[in-house]
Amino acid sequence: DAGVIQSPRHEVTEMGQEVTLRCKPISGHNSLFWYRQTMMRGLELLIYFNNNVPIDDSGMPEDRFSAKMPNASFSTLKIQPSEPRDSAVYFCASRPGTVQETQYFGPGTRLLVL
Amino acid sequence: DAKTTQPTSMDCAEGRAANLPCNHSTISGNEYVYWYRQIHSQGPQYIIHGLKNNETNEMASLIITEDRKSSTLILPHATLRDTAVYYCIVRVTYGGATNKLIFGTGTLLAVQP
Repeated sequence: DAGVIQSPRHEVTEMGQEVTLRCKPISGHNSLFWYRQTMMRGLELLIYFNNNVPIDDSGMPEDRFSAKMPNASFSTLKIQPSEPRDSAVYFCASRPGTVQETQYFGPGTRLLVL
Repeated sequence: DAKTTQPTSMDCAEGRAANLPCNHSTISGNEYVYWYRQIHSQGPQYIIHGLKNNETNEMASLIITEDRKSSTLILPHATLRDTAVYYCIVRVTYGGATNKLIFGTGTLLAVQP
């Protein structure tokens, strides 16, 4: 199994630009999570999906952030417009079920907004 | 969710056992203890979890006190590759919509050669 796949691995953009982060969960997993990690705030849950349906988006910082999961094998996290304070590492994780919390994390996308 | 308290950092000699403590004095009866770790520049990695019995897998052992107010993660023979931040998380597991992890600041374990 290839594990959770994220792209791009690194992204440098200018303030005001749209940024799209992509995630392919592990096949057969039915839960998907987006996290953000910064030195100041640590690892924060942004949103998660069960069976492609957004369940909890209370961690999404503001309307500039949106996430979609059009099918079981793909999810996107979009920031529009991006700001320097969005600079962070964004992780995607998937989970095989909804009972236990064994989440499998991707390698992350390092985003730098100038 | 019950809050957890972990030391900020610990050192361990290579080849020795690493014992990482976690306090969760407000844990409820249906809350599990989960351990994850994050090696530098990588995503977090699941290690082990338990409810009240001690657990062991190929990576580590988890010892939970009888009153469940604290636990210890044991890496039996630490290697340099075990240097990472270790997160202790207490989470209610009842299936469905509300399952999620809340990561704290964790313990930075530095394995010394």
